[in-house]
Order: sequence, then structure tokens, then C-alpha cells
Amino acid sequence: DSGVTQTPKHLITATGQRVTLRCSPRSGDLSVYWYQQSLDQGLQFLIQYYNGEERAKGNILERFSAQQFPDLHSELNLSSLELGDSALYFCASRGDRHGYTFGSGTRLTVV
Amino acid sequence: AQSVTQLDSQVPVFEEAPVELRCNYSSSVSVYLFWYVQYPNQGLQLLLKYLSGSTLVKGINGFEAEFNKSQTSFHLRKPSVHISDTAEYFCAVSVNRDDKIIFGKGTRLHILP
Repeated sequence: DSGVTQTPKHLITATGQRVTLRCSPRSGDLSVYWYQQSLDQGLQFLIQYYNGEERAKGNILERFSAQQFPDLHSELNLSSLELGDSALYFCASRGDRHGYTFGSGTRLTVV
Repeated sequence: AQSVTQLDSQVPVFEEAPVELRCNYSSSVSVYLFWYVQYPNQGLQLLLKYLSGSTLVKGINGFEAEFNKSQTSFHLRKPSVHISDTAEYFCAVSVNRDDKIIFGKGTRLHILP
């Protein structure tokens, strides 16, 4: 157990739908990062939050959004889903003592 | 902007043989370098990292990597691989401790019996 918890582990949904992926960072970590892993694009950085504020944005589509709540957990919202959004979505958190830690991911399948 | 190139998409190697997975990076500033491993159907696990200091970095499971600034490389090595090392290995870079990590495309390590 890495200490970073992602739910759900698996998600199957239809095109056009909206889903929410959840990430709970390691205790005390203020930074949360979201990544998408797909066969054709590899591991792509999506977005970073630090203590509730957006810190950096990567290759995140306009149909995707994220937020970090006061208790530091984060949610990644994916809407108007397309077949190409099928991927593994990873969350990572970072702390001063241990650096980056990744969760086990959410596997999204869009059918 | 930073980038990472993993020169081999797949590397087959016989069990108990040595292996080197190659990684080159591009950056106009100093970087932190990482190797992560992803076992089948699992998440990413940190193997080792270079932040500063000694250019030879030792990691978990007998892996080590050497930072070469002049060649902008950070190759991963293991003197004797085991079947349990079958996985995908990712080289990655960031420009500071708080920055996002940029990953290479990955190298799939196949251990042959």
C-alpha cells in the first residue's frame, strides 16, 4: 500500500457519459498530480494541485476538470466521454520527506 | 521544456544475464531524474532517483543508474536479472522537487528462461 488511494479501481461507462475519479493523497501531502496512461500516448501529465489551488496544467482536455478539496483529496472529472478516453488514470502525491508516491490507478473503459 | 527518450521499447534478456535500459533526457536547466517500474496490472513504483551528489545511484531490487551530465543520460543497469523483473520501466525527469514529472515512453523488459 503506497498510501495514495484511488477509487474506483475499475470503471466501465458509455460514450457521452461523465465520471468522477477520486484520489486521497498520503497523509500530510499537499500536492496532488493526475496522469493519464494510454497505449498510444504513454504517461501524460494532466494537472497538479497544491493545497487546494491549481499549480500546473499539462495535456488536459477541456472536457476534463479537477479540483482539490480542503481535506486535500482530489477529484478528476471526465465528461462527454469518448472511446479514446479509455486509459489508466494515476494520481500521485508529493511530500517533502518522501517525494512522489503513485496510487494504483483507475482503469477507465469507455464503450 | 524537458523531454525523456527511452531508446528501446522492448529489451529481451536471458535470466541471470546483465541488462542496461537506456535513457536520455533533454533540458536547459538542472534536473532530477527517476526510474519507475510498473509490474503487469499494477501502479508505478519508484526504483531510484537522482537529486544531486554521487552520480551512481543505487535503488531497490538490485538496480542502479548512472547520471552522465555530458551525455545527458541516466541508464539503468542490473548485473543479473530474475524472472520477477519482467515489467515496464519508465525513465522520468523533473526540474525541481515540486514540479510535474515528465515520463519517457517506457521500456518493456522481457526475461527469457
